[in-house]
Amino acid sequence: DVKVTQSSRYLVKRTGEKVFLECVQDMDHENMFWYRQDPGLGLRLIYFSYDVKMKEKGDIPEGYSVSREKKERFSLILESASTNQTSMYLCASSFSTDTQYFGPGTRLTVL
Amino acid sequence: AQSVTQLDSQVPVFEEAPVELRCNYSSSVSVYLFWYVQYPNQGLQLLLKYLSGSTLVKGINGFEAEFNKSQTSFHLRKPSVHISDTAEYFCAVSLLNDYKLSFGAGTTVTVRA
Repeated sequence: DVKVTQSSRYLVKRTGEKVFLECVQDMDHENMFWYRQDPGLGLRLIYFSYDVKMKEKGDIPEGYSVSREKKERFSLILESASTNQTSMYLCASSFSTDTQYFGPGTRLTVL
Repeated sequence: AQSVTQLDSQVPVFEEAPVELRCNYSSSVSVYLFWYVQYPNQGLQLLLKYLSGSTLVKGINGFEAEFNKSQTSFHLRKPSVHISDTAEYFCAVSLLNDYKLSFGAGTTVTVRA
C-alpha cells in the first residue's frame, strides 16, 4: 500500500512565523503535490514537483515556496505566515498521470 | 483550462436509500475523471476513475459512475447507502498526459438512520 505521511496533524503558529510542512511518500513516486482545502472551494493546487529539485507553480502559489531535495520528501514553506493561510493542507504523490495518493492532512491555524 | 462543477454542496439521505452525486466538467479536449472520498479527519481516498474504455466505471464500496461525453458529466451513484458512507466526495479532472488535477468544491453526504 502507498503511504503518504505528513509531519503534523495540527499546527498552531503566529503571524509572521516561518512554517515548514513536511510530506514523505514511500512508493518512489515521481510526482508530489501540495494542496490547500477550504470549505466550499474544494482543493486548490499550490505547487507540484515532477522530479527532485524540480517544481512548478500551481493555481495559488503566492505566499508559499517548496523544496524537494530527495525523491521521497516534499516540503511546503510559508515564509511569513498570515491569518489567511489558516487552512487544511494536503500532500499527495503519484506515478505518471495516474491516481494521486493523499496524506492525512495538516490543519494549520495562524493566529 | 478545465474546470469541475459539483452541482450539490449537501446531500442528506436515509440509510439504504440510493444516492446520486452530480459532476459536470468543462474541457475542450479529452480528460481523465476521478471521484475521491474524504472521511472525517482523513485525507482523500480514490473511489473510482475513468481513463478510457467502458463508460460505466465501478469503484470501491459499491459506488459506480457513468461518463457521458456529450453531456460532459461524470455522476456518481450508489444504490443503497450505509451510515459509514457519510463523508465528503470530490470530483476531479485532469487533461490526458497532465499530472495536475482540478477538483470540484465537494459534496457532503450525510446518511441518517
